[in-house]
Amino acid sequence: DAGITQSPRHKVTETGTPVTLRCHQTENHRYMYWYRQDPGHGLRLIHYSYGVKDTDKGEVSDGYSVSRSKTEDFLLTLESATSSQTSVYFCAISVGSNAPTDTQYFGPGTRLTVL
Amino acid sequence: AQSVTQLGSHVSVSEGALVLLRCNYSSSVPPYLFWYVQYPNQGLQLLLKYTSAATLVKGINGFEAEFKKSETSFHLTKPSAHMSDAAEYFCAVRTTGGGNKLTFGTGTQLKVEL
Repeated sequence: DAGITQSPRHKVTETGTPVTLRCHQTENHRYMYWYRQDPGHGLRLIHYSYGVKDTDKGEVSDGYSVSRSKTEDFLLTLESATSSQTSVYFCAISVGSNAPTDTQYFGPGTRLTVL
Repeated sequence: AQSVTQLGSHVSVSEGALVLLRCNYSSSVPPYLFWYVQYPNQGLQLLLKYTSAATLVKGINGFEAEFKKSETSFHLTKPSAHMSDAAEYFCAVRTTGGGNKLTFGTGTQLKVEL
């Protein structure tokens, strides 16, 4: 158990509403990531963070923003949710010595449905 | 850019049979490769990783993978499938450019039949 929690675990919302997903880690790992998982696409990186207030875009960042004001929390915000953002969202942390061999550990996921 | 391709989105084996899940990589630099497993309604769990220390990598639950540079492959195998192996399996490659990012394949759903 890598000590990663995600909240909420399930959410149903309507098109056009803002949504914020939270990822919390119990250890002070530097790198945190947000992915989305869709059938036929595997996991795709949305945004990642390499420290407090330090974030960067991933492969599918359009329509998403992130914030990291504390080491342990990484927030993903959908400013105006669309049906194409219906997905399962996973948070991950990288554990190791900041080397390419470091392992990513994943949270349990948040299932988001946008109606 | 680094990428991985998983051949076969669905694989079905009989219990006790060999499991072979295929992953081919594309990388301009020596790759770091990973296999993850996802059980229903759960997050991903690391099975094993290739870090260039040894070409044959042993992981959890009896799985292993062999790195073959000549074939640009990192196929996952298990000699004898168990019902509990039914899950989705993802191959991933470390992406260059900082951030310790991973690029994932599209996944292979493994079904184990009696």
